[in-house]
Amino acid sequence: GAVVSQHPSRVICKSGTSVKIECRSLDFQATTMFWYRQFPKKSLMLMATSNEGSKATYEQGVEKDKFLINHASLTLSTLTVTSAHPEDSSFYICSARQGGNTEAFFGQGTRLTVV
Amino acid sequence: AQTVTQSQPEMSVQEAETVTLSCTYDTSESDYYLFWYKQPPSRQMILVIRQEAYKQQNATENRFSVNFQKAAKSFSLKISDSQLGDAAMYFCAYFLIQGAQKLVFGQGTRLTINP
Repeated sequence: GAVVSQHPSRVICKSGTSVKIECRSLDFQATTMFWYRQFPKKSLMLMATSNEGSKATYEQGVEKDKFLINHASLTLSTLTVTSAHPEDSSFYICSARQGGNTEAFFGQGTRLTVV
Repeated sequence: AQTVTQSQPEMSVQEAETVTLSCTYDTSESDYYLFWYKQPPSRQMILVIRQEAYKQQNATENRFSVNFQKAAKSFSLKISDSQLGDAAMYFCAYFLIQGAQKLVFGQGTRLTINP
């Protein structure tokens, strides 16, 4: 299957700083990428959907100025958590889909800890 | 809005036995896909099986099969000959082909395999 690489897998940052998470599709062109947040022992909560070259569509309740999403190329999307606070600590997962395909491929996830 | 419900937070099964995980969904659409994803302790999301709503035949993938009841909006996963490596969180997901084209996940079921 297709491979989606997410980096870093773990990051610890200080409160008030910003942290960037990258999501790359290694062997296909990802026209659409999705960013999820997962709390411990909970399901995946969709944060936003991004299409290459256009602004991301955020789900209700997700602050777009806090969670900046960029999808500048067909193989790379980034999520930047700005002015991070301890409550932003979570597991973030990206997934990518190509064109009209129904299957989405997932990255390995990033555990963010804000101290 | 579409919703996906997994009513079993936890399930356990003896190794080599069969277990069925339940999933129901709510939609007014007729053209969609349903998925079961597995999330092992590594947190990597792995596609287990996929079902197209227009197909009456239940999907099967080796030891994994589904019971798709479209009228009842039910999509259960049966795991035969359970193996220790099957231990994971299992998520049922719904994908609408038209419109937003995003996955909607259920709450998840934690499956434990007893040796």
